[in-house]
Amino acid sequence: NAGVTQTPKFQVLKTGQSMTLQCAQDMNHEYMSWYRQDPGMGLRLIHYSVGAGITDQGEVPNGYNVSRSTTEDFPLRLLSAAPSQTSVYFCASSYVGGSTEAFFGQGTRLTVV
Amino acid sequence: DAKTTQPPSMDCAEGRAANLPCNHSTISGNEYVYWYRQIHSQGPQYIIHGLKNNETNEMASLIITEDRKSSTLILPHATLRDTAVYYCIALTNAGKSTFGDGTTLTVKP
Repeated sequence: NAGVTQTPKFQVLKTGQSMTLQCAQDMNHEYMSWYRQDPGMGLRLIHYSVGAGITDQGEVPNGYNVSRSTTEDFPLRLLSAAPSQTSVYFCASSYVGGSTEAFFGQGTRLTVV
Repeated sequence: DAKTTQPPSMDCAEGRAANLPCNHSTISGNEYVYWYRQIHSQGPQYIIHGLKNNETNEMASLIITEDRKSSTLILPHATLRDTAVYYCIALTNAGKSTFGDGTTLTVKP
């Protein structure tokens, strides 16, 4: 049982490049979400999904796309990287419902130069 | 999900109880109060949650006021390893959660 696995752990991109941050969970959780955390700040919700084929926007969705083709995977795509997207990205998963904890991955540290 | 307000920082002496407050005055009846912590920019770690009643687990206790407008996380015997950023959130679904800036707790020897 690996929990929530994020890859890569570190990435450097040039402005304008695109890339996909991977997130996988093996707990059969319906709910998956992506957050970004800028230095010294809390986590802000980018996108989330309540199940395969269903996604929705969070607080800061611009510049990011997601899809959910399987229960296990929830990739985050940066379409055209910008320096403002330099951040640490966290993926989380949980069961749907009010009384259930979320499990977080260890993060992807992205630098856009 | 209701907005929560926490003090930006707190100190606590090692071995003493750490009491972290959280205000959530607009919380609705079906929103749970959750606490997470983040150590050294790792992924946040779940601590405890509750709806109306006080809760206790092996890590902490959660005290929720009767009107549910505020709560307190209690770490009964803080250690240096409890130094972290603590987030209080109110939500109906554990995944779709909005984290504020949290409280930076520093446990001092």
